[in-house]
Amino acid sequence: DTGVSQNPRHKITKRGQNVTFRCDPISEHNRLYWYRQTLGQGPEFLTYFQNEAQLEKSRLLSDRFSAERPKGSFSTLEIQRTEQGDSAMYLCASSFPETGAYGYTFGSGTRLTVV
Amino acid sequence: GQNIDQPTEMTATEGAIVQINCTYQTSGFNGLFWYQQHAGEAPTFLSYNVLDGLEEKGRFSSFLSRSKGYSYLLLKELQMKDSASYLCAVSSASGGSYIPTFGRGTSLIVHP
Repeated sequence: DTGVSQNPRHKITKRGQNVTFRCDPISEHNRLYWYRQTLGQGPEFLTYFQNEAQLEKSRLLSDRFSAERPKGSFSTLEIQRTEQGDSAMYLCASSFPETGAYGYTFGSGTRLTVV
Repeated sequence: GQNIDQPTEMTATEGAIVQINCTYQTSGFNGLFWYQQHAGEAPTFLSYNVLDGLEEKGRFSSFLSRSKGYSYLLLKELQMKDSASYLCAVSSASGGSYIPTFGRGTSLIVHP
């Protein structure tokens, strides 16, 4: 297993366009998380899945954001009608349900720039 | 909610020891994580503390005092490659999900 994989690594889009990112977690991990990180800040929780069920969404997640994990493996995060404030690094992480000493394994992220 | 505080930036000399502090306020504490993040890269897991005391892992150690809402990450024999951001994250039972909340991170600069 090569770890958590995210695609694309970079995305530049015009304001108002829709974008979709993909995350492939570590295969044994049944939890998958999406975080957003802006410069100088720590990762900010967006949503998480246990298998295919989306169990929690941050109150900060506007209705323009939607995430899916249809078969409990890879996940997609879609942002509709992008705004300049959406420019950030979007990080995906995966874990076992009881992380404890194993922590969360992050992917390398997708850097979104909205122009 | 949770409030996590850590210094914004620290500098240290190669070969020295540095301590990065993290204070937090939360209910239903369920563990504290430290992550290292090099510029432009993903955070990587360093340590996890759930009970009071010191956890040692090679050059890195992490300490937790739950009563004081306090943790520190100790880096010994600093190397240039240790220049990175160090993120403190706290997991709590809020809502039953135990999702960790991250602090802003401490940018550590190691100079020769």
